[in-house]
Amino acid sequence: DGGITQSPKYLFRKEGQNVTLSCEQNLNHDAMYWYRQDPGQGLRLIYYSQIVNDFQKGDIAEGYSVSREKKESFPLTVTSAQKNPTAFYLCASSVRDNRNQPQHFGDGTRLSIL
Amino acid sequence: AQSVAQPEDQVNVAEGNPLTVKCTYSVSGNPYLFWYVQYPNRGLQFLLKYITGDNLVKGSYGFEAEFNKSQTSFHLKKPSALVSDSALYFCAVTYNFNKFYFGSGTKLNVKP
Repeated sequence: DGGITQSPKYLFRKEGQNVTLSCEQNLNHDAMYWYRQDPGQGLRLIYYSQIVNDFQKGDIAEGYSVSREKKESFPLTVTSAQKNPTAFYLCASSVRDNRNQPQHFGDGTRLSIL
Repeated sequence: AQSVAQPEDQVNVAEGNPLTVKCTYSVSGNPYLFWYVQYPNRGLQFLLKYITGDNLVKGSYGFEAEFNKSQTSFHLKKPSALVSDSALYFCAVTYNFNKFYFGSGTKLNVKP
């Protein structure tokens, strides 16, 4: 079955440490996204990519970095500069430049501080 | 600025009763509107979308939504609620380049 796989499901970060969240899709989608979900705040866009080797900052990119070396992969690194990283992180993908199509979501990674 | 508002943090309804989850949007141009549902510790699942045409859109699991351009609303409805409908519901809008704007979410509680 086609879908989006996020790993790990739970992740713990020590102070000063960078951690990387994995997102892989086999839907052949060009566009991929990272969102942060906090209680009562809905989803906030961190980064998005519409094509390999290109990505754009979303609304809350500070303290995060991404890469898009392959179409099916869009890893997110939470750096030590992100002072409040505890949240639920969701990866999504969609057909590029097609407003008619919904985004497909992975099952998320929950990041906590040790 | 583009935005989506879900004015109710929580909606409580008895099983078998009709339910409505509200969403209003503020978008320049023609909006493309979506509803998603999220169960605990899971990603969002697509329910339905409005692109153009009939203002009443039917989706998964018996849900429907009514697009009202004059009121800039896209409320989610279901004629008869089930306990299993209890979840977090998100409204989303997009206008170009696949950038989506999500509401803050509404928790639906359906009691037996």
